[in-house]
Amino acid sequence: DTGVSQDPRHKITKRGQNVTFRCDPISEHNRLYWYRQTLGQGPEFLTYFQNEAQLEKSRLLSDRFSAERPKGSFSTLEIQRTEQGDSAMYLCASSPTNFPYNEQFFGPGTRLTVL
Amino acid sequence: GNSVTQMEGPVTLSEEAFLTINCTYTATGYPSLFWYVQYPGEGLQLLLKATKADDKGSNKGFEATYRKETTSFHLEKGSVQVSDSAVYFCALSEGGSSNTGKLIFGQGTTLQVKP
Repeated sequence: DTGVSQDPRHKITKRGQNVTFRCDPISEHNRLYWYRQTLGQGPEFLTYFQNEAQLEKSRLLSDRFSAERPKGSFSTLEIQRTEQGDSAMYLCASSPTNFPYNEQFFGPGTRLTVL
Repeated sequence: GNSVTQMEGPVTLSEEAFLTINCTYTATGYPSLFWYVQYPGEGLQLLLKATKADDKGSNKGFEATYRKETTSFHLEKGSVQVSDSAVYFCALSEGGSSNTGKLIFGQGTTLQVKP
């Protein structure tokens, strides 16, 4: 399977703990996106990478959130000092730089539950 | 800012009924428009897309036409099946040569098709 993969698929943690998620995009895609989806809502944009450069961050991404894509391949999203409001599905998507279509391919998501 | 509004769900139909899910958008420039589908327990999948005014996207019997004059991208299918039961998301991607490609989603519409 050469689609977008995410690890772990599920994460349960206690409030105040740090968590890290990983995303492996489709290999030839140089754009990588993180979104957050809460129950009953559509995904909301968090941040975007073009190769290893993080080019845009949403206001939703507080100081407790950090994302990296060190070699322009896989990416990690870390949440420090988790809060119950961080409970959500975290989605990763990748796309080629293919203006103007911007078709994105999504991974299965990581479901975070903060107790 | 840019936004997408979808009709409220859930939508419940009998098999072979006609489906319409309304989607309207607010955007500057010339966005690309998408419908994504999320089947139970699965990740987001691109259903169809349209990249300029009057384009019609189609796939698996679903279609949607990019209407710039009414800023709409309504999803239609002539005869739904039980297997079409899922959550449907309308989304836009900002246009322009410097666009990031990030997607802005509607809140999603749940479709339930009964045999």
